[in-house]
Amino acid sequence: NAGVMQNPRHLVRRRGQEARLRCSPMKGHSHVYWYRQLPEEGLKFMVYLQKENIIDESGMPKERFSAEFPKEGPSILRIQQVVRGDSAAYFCASSRNPGQGDLAEKLFFGSGTQLSVL
Amino acid sequence: ILNVEQSPQSLHVQEGDSTNFTCSFPSSNFYALHWYRWETAKSPEALFVMTLNGDEKKKGRISATLNTKEGYSYLYIKGSQPEDSATYLCAVYGGSQGNLIFGKGTKLSVKP
Repeated sequence: NAGVMQNPRHLVRRRGQEARLRCSPMKGHSHVYWYRQLPEEGLKFMVYLQKENIIDESGMPKERFSAEFPKEGPSILRIQQVVRGDSAAYFCASSRNPGQGDLAEKLFFGSGTQLSVL
Repeated sequence: ILNVEQSPQSLHVQEGDSTNFTCSFPSSNFYALHWYRWETAKSPEALFVMTLNGDEKKKGRISATLNTKEGYSYLYIKGSQPEDSATYLCAVYGGSQGNLIFGKGTKLSVKP
C-alpha cells in the first residue's frame, strides 16, 4: 500500500514562473491537506480539500496560490508568478474521511516538495 | 489565531535517559491533539491522536498524556535510544475540520 506520493521532490523555478506541485493520497483516502514549511518555521496549514471540493483554505495566500483535488488524478497546488519568498518545503498529507465531528483521524504525510525560486 | 507552543525547542540527552516535553494550547474549543515524530529527511509520522481529557496513550517506550482543562499535553520517552532522535511535533485543531495547527516542535538528540 503506497503512502502519500508527492512530486517532484525538488522544483527550481525562476521568479515569475509557475510552480505545480502534485500529491497523490494514500489509497482509500479522500481528504488532502497542504502545509508549507518555511526555514526555521513549523508546518503552516494552507488548505484542506476533499475530492472536487475545497473545505478550508484559510491558510492560503489570497493571490497567486490555488489548489484543486479533481475527481480523477492527484491534488495540485499551483503557485503562479513565483517570488523568492515562496521558496519552502511544501508537504501534502491525506486522511480517511474524518466523519461528522470526528477529528481523530491521523494524517499521513508525503515526503514533500522543496521549491527553490531563483 | 490559535497558538500551539512546544517546549523545550531542543533537547540533548544521553542514551538511556528518560525525557519529556510539553505542548501547550488554548483550552477553549478543544477538538483533538496529535503528536507526530519527524526524522530528518523523512515525513512526519503520527504517534498519537488524543481527544479526551485525561487520555493517556502508549506506544513502546513513548507515552503521552492530555489535560484539556488546562491546555497541555506531555510526551514521555523512557530510556531514550539514538533512534529516538527526531523532531516531535504537536498539533491541535484550530476550530475548523481541517485546520490542524502545528507547534514548532521539540528537536531531540540522543547521544550513544
